[in-house]
Amino acid sequence: EDQVTQSPEALRLQEGESSSLNCSYTVSGLRGLFWYRQDPGKGPEFLFTLYSAGEEKEKERLKATLTKKESFLHITAPKPEDSATYLCAVQAQANNLFFGTGTRLTVIP
Amino acid sequence: GAGVSQSPSNKVTEKGKDVELRCDPISGHTALYWYRQSLGQGLEFLIYFQGNSAPDKSGLPSDRFSAERTGGSVSTLTIQRTQQEDSAVYLCASSKGPNTEAFFGQGTRLTVV
Repeated sequence: EDQVTQSPEALRLQEGESSSLNCSYTVSGLRGLFWYRQDPGKGPEFLFTLYSAGEEKEKERLKATLTKKESFLHITAPKPEDSATYLCAVQAQANNLFFGTGTRLTVIP
Repeated sequence: GAGVSQSPSNKVTEKGKDVELRCDPISGHTALYWYRQSLGQGLEFLIYFQGNSAPDKSGLPSDRFSAERTGGSVSTLTIQRTQQEDSAVYLCASSKGPNTEAFFGQGTRLTVV
């Protein structure tokens, strides 16, 4: 059975304190791994797509990496506006998009 | 339109009533997803449409839930005989096809009283 596990469930960082969020997955035939950001009361906002192990994508303070078993979302020198829930999703042979439960990030000024 | 549009944004209904939730995907997107998100929880997959293929209904929680997609565009999620546990935000997303990023609407908040 396909599984996606995100850790930690919640993370509190001081402004400027870099850290990483983890998404580990067990799927049959990964076709894509996606990172989203979700603010309260809103739909998820697309951040990155990763397709193969070794791939990396960057956007501002965020960098996503992928191995054969997990993906990391690295946050460098975060700001309070980076506070949100970060969601990881995988698409495998079944083609539907399966989400983890997310990491709730709080960045304290 | 510029993005995925969902209507209504909020819906309050009485227990036992039927409700219809609408999703207008991004023009040209062949894939469409429905999810349910309960308060403080993750996204629960409901159903996936891809082009003219038979939809993946494996996430529908009971036979009270159904969805259709007309003309490969607009989709309607129908919940019959609503129950209080159906209260949640229902999110729709569309993508250009499999293995491409999906874009979400703002959701419909359903409250069953």
